Amino acid sequence: QKEVEQDPGPLSVPEGAIVSLNCTYSNSAFQYFMWYRQYSRKGPELLMYTYSSGNKEDGRFTAQVDKSSKYISLFIRDSQPSDSATYLCAMWERSGNQFYFGTGTSLTVIP
Amino acid sequence: NAGVMQNPRHLVRRRGQEARLRCSPMKGHSHVYWYRQLPEEGLKFMVYLQKENIIDESGMPKERFSAEFPKEGPSILRIQQVVRGDSAAYFCASSPWQGDQPQHFGDGTRLSIL
Repeated sequence: QKEVEQDPGPLSVPEGAIVSLNCTYSNSAFQYFMWYRQYSRKGPELLMYTYSSGNKEDGRFTAQVDKSSKYISLFIRDSQPSDSATYLCAMWERSGNQFYFGTGTSLTVIP
Repeated sequence: NAGVMQNPRHLVRRRGQEARLRCSPMKGHSHVYWYRQLPEEGLKFMVYLQKENIIDESGMPKERFSAEFPKEGPSILRIQQVVRGDSAAYFCASSPWQGDQPQHFGDGTRLSIL
């Protein structure tokens, strides 16, 4: 079983839709959770960074962590064509050295 | 992503040659991580370095691959005697200290093996 599971998609939505991206994980020791956005032929760009359970909002983006279910989500409101990219979840535990990444979900927002 | 600088952006090598990939971390960051990304796959951890020290190289193949982060200058990922299977995008990330600060990535080096 992989440490982090993420549906690769692709996901295609109309402009203005609410997008929900999700990851599940197996290691209950993970404490720090991140979402990255990666455009084609570019490096991952940090979008959201959360610690422990709960919600964090930044503009059109909301990150949600449910540690009891080992499940994290990223919601994008009022999606724009410029949101079309691959979204990667990542997580880390304090006793480890590695960040663990999901395989990424490809999102296309259609004008 | 401009803070973490990787060069070259594209590198073409013939089988058997050496590839050297460079990474300059963001200013103030002393922790560097290297990842490999293949199409349809996620980022695979290779190695974690601090200045002059390799902290964790558990993700790096035992042969042909090496990494360093000298006191002065960029971090180097070196691949000797490259093979076709080494073709991938290699990303470097940096953070100011371990873990409880997120990593920031460069735009990668795309290595192609002829």
